[in-house]
Amino acid sequence: EPEVTQTPSHQVTQMGQEVILRCVPISNHLYFYWYRQILGQKVEFLVSFYNNEISEKSEIFDDQFSVERPDGSNFTLKIRSTKLEDSAMYFCASTPRAGYGEKLFFGSGTQLSVL
Amino acid sequence: DQQVKQNSPSLSVQEGRISILNCDYTNSMFDYFLWYKKYPAEGPTFLISISSIKDKNEDGRFTVFLNKSAKHLSLHIVPSQPGDSAVYFCAARYTASKLTFGTGTRLQVTL
Repeated sequence: EPEVTQTPSHQVTQMGQEVILRCVPISNHLYFYWYRQILGQKVEFLVSFYNNEISEKSEIFDDQFSVERPDGSNFTLKIRSTKLEDSAMYFCASTPRAGYGEKLFFGSGTQLSVL
Repeated sequence: DQQVKQNSPSLSVQEGRISILNCDYTNSMFDYFLWYKKYPAEGPTFLISISSIKDKNEDGRFTVFLNKSAKHLSLHIVPSQPGDSAVYFCAARYTASKLTFGTGTRLQVTL
């Protein structure tokens, strides 16, 4: 079964550094998402992306965050200047189309640790 | 932001018995609900969903019940199997993009 692939699985960085988390969504999917889960807390929506544009973003997704689809297969999340509170598991997800009934397919996540 | 709540952080059930996981929500704008299962070191995996115009949806051993007036949904797993041991997340949406998740319930199915 096709799956969403995320790299790296673990990323350790110093506070203030830039990080890029990478995702390869399922190949025929058109809608892409980033979610995150801080340890012990719930999974939180960050951003959705379609047709090379952000379609929706949460309050968490401030100017320090950006997303990009640099080519036909990758979808990236960049954090410009990491803070301690950015430490979390970041999940990429994709769906073939939009719609209330559409289930999201999630990757295995990137554990980001900001020191 | 407590729009979706799972009040039981953990549940232990014997193999073969029914597991009932509960979820409450506060936002009446939610009109689609999903359950996801998550194993350690993996992303959430879709399990079953229900539209707000229905009160029940069944898929094999999994049934989701929705009580809109009580703003409550539940996931029934019967019979429970050891492989069902995981964290279960309730999620809800009122836009096409954004899922709002609960905090999860860790289910342990014992032999």
